[in-house]
Amino acid sequence: SAVISQKPSRDICQRGTSLTIQCQVDSQVTMMFWYRQQPGQSLTLIATANQGSEATYESGFVIDKFPISRPNLTFSTLTVSNLSPEDSSIYLCSVEMGFREAGELFFGEGSRLTVL
Amino acid sequence: AQSVTQPDIHITVSEGASLELRCNYSYGATPYLFWYVQSPGQGLQLLLKYFSGDTLVQGIKGFEAEFKRSQSSFNLRKPSVHWSDAAEYFCAVRRGGFKTIFGAGTRLFVKA
Repeated sequence: SAVISQKPSRDICQRGTSLTIQCQVDSQVTMMFWYRQQPGQSLTLIATANQGSEATYESGFVIDKFPISRPNLTFSTLTVSNLSPEDSSIYLCSVEMGFREAGELFFGEGSRLTVL
Repeated sequence: AQSVTQPDIHITVSEGASLELRCNYSYGATPYLFWYVQSPGQGLQLLLKYFSGDTLVQGIKGFEAEFKRSQSSFNLRKPSVHWSDAAEYFCAVRRGGFKTIFGAGTRLFVKA
């Protein structure tokens, strides 16, 4: 299993600013994912972040809006840039562990963003 | 395109009653299937998963799910619901490329 810590747990930001969310894992992982959960909605995959390579973005998400860093096997950041009220969501970091738990995702508790 | 459908947005059951949450998937190959639960103010937790083998899988908290290939379904069941089971339940499919796609979710309400 994995323990995932996200910071901040919540924040209120002004329109036009940016917010960087940090994700720290207590063990080394290869696969790390960022999801968005809009109010009352399901989870939508933003991007896959692998150490040593550029993040892979899903359709509808672009690097200029959601730049991601993955400097090592235990840490990643997601920045939400040029904020608008439509970006108000919960942003979730998740990781996939090794073969024994293949496919299972472990999630952080999320970062709740409100944009005014 | 691959997709996951949870036809019930919300379900209300009485405490002690049985529960079945529906999930249908559209995927070309044999999928990896999951059920996750999101309790209020908490992160997502895996309830159970199916990769292969026995089509009836047991999970945590007394939940089970049955994979039916002919119906492309992976319904979640519990014989007796507890008030603490009130939460949002997500069915998910792991696609190729290590991507997991989630259904829209079913919110479970439990009445006394």
